[in-house]
Amino acid sequence: SYVLTQAPSVSVAPGKTARITCGGNNIGSKSVHWYQQKPGQAPVSVIYYDSDRPSGIPERFSGSNSGNTATLTISRVEGGDEADYYCQVWDSTSDHPVFGGGTKLTVL
Amino acid sequence: QVQLVESGGGVVQPGGSLRLSCAASGFTFTHHGMHWVRQAPGKGLEWVAVIWYDGSNKYYEDSVKGRFTISRDNSKNTVYLQMNSLRAEDTAVYHCVRGTTVGRGAFDIWGQGTMVTVSS
Repeated sequence: SYVLTQAPSVSVAPGKTARITCGGNNIGSKSVHWYQQKPGQAPVSVIYYDSDRPSGIPERFSGSNSGNTATLTISRVEGGDEADYYCQVWDSTSDHPVFGGGTKLTVL
Repeated sequence: QVQLVESGGGVVQPGGSLRLSCAASGFTFTHHGMHWVRQAPGKGLEWVAVIWYDGSNKYYEDSVKGRFTISRDNSKNTVYLQMNSLRAEDTAVYHCVRGTTVGRGAFDIWGQGTMVTVSS
């Protein structure tokens, strides 16, 4: 089945920009969705369909997708952004969703 | 208020069965596909199953095929996950999740989850 690859961890200083990537074969041809999960909480959707933000998600969160890499960008990072972030696509071959392994964002 | 509330988790012996329920409220249930997504302790998210808005299509992750059954009762705004022949590796928090469409797509509303522990 389709495989999504994420770096296990990313660290960034407060106020800087974090970029979390999600790699997959020709992922640019698929719609990518991103979820944020803080410790002990259920995941929350932060980006749909590559770059759409659900209501209530700050404009600091943005997404892009091209070629073999999709990227979640968090600008002006805050301590409250510290969380695990997962990418997800719908695999047309197996006809079911696939998650990346997750990236832990640490705010220094 | 849009809400998903899971119930039915617990401790069960290997080979046993459990039935999870998810009560939905605050939205038109029949407009959305519904999913179960699980998370083993300290691990990432793993999709388990989906049922289309009208129950016409159901898909399962390979490791649960033949053991788990997803169903829904649109008159009760409830989705279920019947889990049989449980294994230690099924131990996880099981989240009920709303899809953004009637079937395929993204997830937009997550329940808090119910813990399933398979252990002798």
